[in-house]
Amino acid sequence: EAGVAQSPRYKIIEKRQSVAFWCNPISGHATLYWYQQILGQGPKLLIQFQNNGVVDDSQLPKDRFSAERLKGVDSTLKIQPAKLEDSAVYLCASSLDPAINEQFFGPGTRLTVL
Amino acid sequence: DAKTTQPPSMDCAEGRAANLPCNHSTISGNEYVYWYRQIHSQGPQYIIHGLKNNETNEMASLIITEDRKSSTLILPHATLRDTAVYYCIVQWGNEKLTFGTGTRLTIIP
Repeated sequence: EAGVAQSPRYKIIEKRQSVAFWCNPISGHATLYWYQQILGQGPKLLIQFQNNGVVDDSQLPKDRFSAERLKGVDSTLKIQPAKLEDSAVYLCASSLDPAINEQFFGPGTRLTVL
Repeated sequence: DAKTTQPPSMDCAEGRAANLPCNHSTISGNEYVYWYRQIHSQGPQYIIHGLKNNETNEMASLIITEDRKSSTLILPHATLRDTAVYYCIVQWGNEKLTFGTGTRLTIIP
């Protein structure tokens, strides 16, 4: 079974530029999550999708971050404009049944904002 | 905020059992205890979860005290590949997972 795919694996940008990350969840997984992990901390949930609908985006900085999952499969997370404090690893995860909460994580995208 | 307390780091000799403690004194009756781990430069990996009873799978055992205020994750025969940060998470239903800073477990050859 293929795991959660993410691209790119690494990205370096300057502050005020924009950036986008892509995630392909495990086939058949209706729930998709985006997390932000700052160095030395645990992952923090940014947004949760159930199919193509948003379940929880309470911790998403909506003035600069946006995410979509138009067809209920792949998802894109965008930051525009980026700030220095956005430097982090962005993790995508998916699950078959959100009630069980066994989430499968991708390898992440390491973003450096200069 | 994380509802759990874990030691920041632990060492364990290769081949021995690694016992990782977690305190969750404010856990409510319908909250589960989840364990995940994160190997360096990888995403977190689900290990096990439980409600009241002890649980075992191919990766680990989870021992939950009778009052449910603490639990222990046991890796029965630790290998170098078990070196990782281990997260203990208390969560109810489809409530979001809240990761703390976890325990950094180092397996010593």
